[in-house]
Amino acid sequence: GAGVSQTPSNKVTEKGKYVELRCDPISGHTALYWYRQSLGQGPEFLIYFQGTGAADDSGLPNDRFFAVRPEGSVSTLKIQRTERGDSAVYLCASASRSQETQYFGPGTRLLVL
Amino acid sequence: EDKVVQSPLSLVVHEGDTVTLNCSYEVTNFRSLLWYKQEKKAPTFLFMLTSSGIEKKSGRLSSILDKKELFSILNITATQTGDSAIYLCAVEASGYGGSQGNLIFGKGTKLSVKP
Repeated sequence: GAGVSQTPSNKVTEKGKYVELRCDPISGHTALYWYRQSLGQGPEFLIYFQGTGAADDSGLPNDRFFAVRPEGSVSTLKIQRTERGDSAVYLCASASRSQETQYFGPGTRLLVL
Repeated sequence: EDKVVQSPLSLVVHEGDTVTLNCSYEVTNFRSLLWYKQEKKAPTFLFMLTSSGIEKKSGRLSSILDKKELFSILNITATQTGDSAIYLCAVEASGYGGSQGNLIFGKGTKLSVKP
C-alpha cells in the first residue's frame, strides 16, 4: 500500500462503551506499533507486534486495552469500558522490521464523552 | 527512567529566519535518535541519527547528534510558512533482550512561521 492507513479517522463514544481502532500497515512491513498521543504531549508507546505476536505490550495502560494482529498485517486496538481519560489520538506505525524507520498513519482521534 | 526533553516548547519566527530546535535525552542503551514533523496528525519522518558528529541534510533542514553530551539539534534555514508544525524528537533504546524499536518521544516543539 501507499502508506499506513487508520480507520476511523475520528471516533466519538460514550463512557463505558467498547471501541475498535484499525490499522493497515505498509504492505510487507512486519513490525507494527501503536502509540497514544494526548494533547500537548508526544506519542507514548503502547504495544509492538512482530508478525502476528505482541512482542512488547508494556505500554498498555491497563487491562481494558488489548490489540491483535491475527494475520500479521492489519491490527486492531480494542478498548473496553472506555473512560474520558482515554480520549487521545491513537497512532499506528509500521516498519520493514524492528529497529528500522517507523512510518506513521494519520491516527484515530478518539473522544470519550 | 528514559526521557527525551525538547526545547523550546514553542517558537514564533518570521519567514526567512533560521531556527534551531533542541533535543536532549537520557536513555539506557541508546540506539538511534529520530526527528519527525507533525502537521496535523501523522508524524512524517525527517531524519534518523546514529553516529555523533555526522550532519544529515535534506534541503533546508539539517540535523546532528552529539552522543557525548546526549543531545541533537534540528536546524531549519530560510523558514517558510509551510514549515509551521510540531517537530518531534524520539529516541530508540535497547530494552530487555534487545531493542524492539519502540520510540520514546519528547513533547515536541511547536514552530509557527509568520509571513
